[in-house]
Amino acid sequence: DADVTQTPRNRITKTGKRIMLECSQTKGHDRMYWYRQDPGLGLRLIYYSFDVKDINKGEISDGYSVSRQAQAKFSLSLESAIPNQTALYFCATSDPYGTGGYEQYFGPGTRLTVT
Amino acid sequence: GDSVTQMEGPVTLSEEAFLTINCTYTATGYPSLFWYVQYPGEGLQLLLKATKADDKGSNKGFEATYRKETTSFHLEKGSVQVSDSAVYFCALNRNSGNTPLVFGKGTRLSVIA
Repeated sequence: DADVTQTPRNRITKTGKRIMLECSQTKGHDRMYWYRQDPGLGLRLIYYSFDVKDINKGEISDGYSVSRQAQAKFSLSLESAIPNQTALYFCATSDPYGTGGYEQYFGPGTRLTVT
Repeated sequence: GDSVTQMEGPVTLSEEAFLTINCTYTATGYPSLFWYVQYPGEGLQLLLKATKADDKGSNKGFEATYRKETTSFHLEKGSVQVSDSAVYFCALNRNSGNTPLVFGKGTRLSVIA
């Protein structure tokens, strides 16, 4: 089984709808991240969490919110989806006390289309 | 702030050609440096890393050397294969323990037979 899973893998929704993307991990890592990927723009950080009680905004948090329900779960919500939120979304985890260099481990991604 | 600059793609090579993807960085202190690879339809996975100056990371025939004097971490492979077609991301972490990875914009590589 994958260490970092994301659900759903694909989603099509309409403008104005609320949608939640979920991320679960079995790696036991405290740190979790949400990124979006757009062609030509690389990965941009939306939110990150260093433990259950810690939530931080990334460079593009407007229009998004997150919830860290447990060490293993980190959800991303779009309160009112708009077409320019169409993108590929990735969840990632890391363990700063593991191997050196703060490597991050990524889920398979959720492809979201807002029509 | 910290930043990573990669050569723009796409890069198209014939099988068995030599590959170089340039990466330079701006950061305070002594960051750790990474190359991630994203195969079609998949998430990112770590390809190699280097945690201090002059370290060489290597994996699957790919290599990159941490050059502090030129603030670079160029990715190289002597003979690419069709299966190397992917998007490659350079990234850094400041090693402070309190900041996420900073990624470059990615370079798409296509290898043709």
